[in-house]
Amino acid sequence: KAGVTQTPRYLIKTRGQQVTLSCSPISGHRSVSWYQQTPGQGLQFLFEYFSETQRNKGNFPGRFSGRQFSNSRSEMNVSTLELGDSALYLCASSSGQDYGYTFGSGTRLTVV
Amino acid sequence: AQSVTQPDIHITVSEGASLELRCNYSYGATPYLFWYVQSPGQGLQLLLKYFSGDTLVQGIKGFEAEFKRSQSSFNLRKPSVHWSDAAEYFCAVGTYNTDKLIFGTGTRLQVFP
Repeated sequence: KAGVTQTPRYLIKTRGQQVTLSCSPISGHRSVSWYQQTPGQGLQFLFEYFSETQRNKGNFPGRFSGRQFSNSRSEMNVSTLELGDSALYLCASSSGQDYGYTFGSGTRLTVV
Repeated sequence: AQSVTQPDIHITVSEGASLELRCNYSYGATPYLFWYVQSPGQGLQLLLKYFSGDTLVQGIKGFEAEFKRSQSSFNLRKPSVHWSDAAEYFCAVGTYNTDKLIFGTGTRLQVFP
């Protein structure tokens, strides 16, 4: 059974650009959530999608957005990149809270 | 608001020694509790989880954790540490009916041979 797949693994972008990250959940998982991990702030919740609907959103500016498709794949977008957006972005999928959350290997975004 | 505290930033143990990583949470109801492990540059791997029932939970790689409601704690233990256990460990609390996890700041485990 394939795990959670995040693409790309690494990205380098320039300040002011925008970026789109992709997450393919485990087959059958309808919930996808996103987290940002930085040395200073640790792991912070960005947002969560279930059946194409955003159910929860963390405390991030509107430059961070996401969506989920009918096949449960999810994308997150960051516009007008800032140096502080450099982080490891992790995606997790779940088939139900009782089963826990499976994380992907992440996308390492570097903003220069 | 929910929160998780991992008081130990860095722990060093000798291979073969026992291990206990501390985790305290703040949540108004019965929490969903998790321990994850992260190797450098990698994602998070679930070690174990607690939702209800038996307060001693067994996980993968020989880890276990005990939920103590009176102390708001969910400490992770392993009787004998292996060099391959060196990694960063995160405790997390989940809120009922939402797929949102609140993570602690992590504990970095170093294992000496």
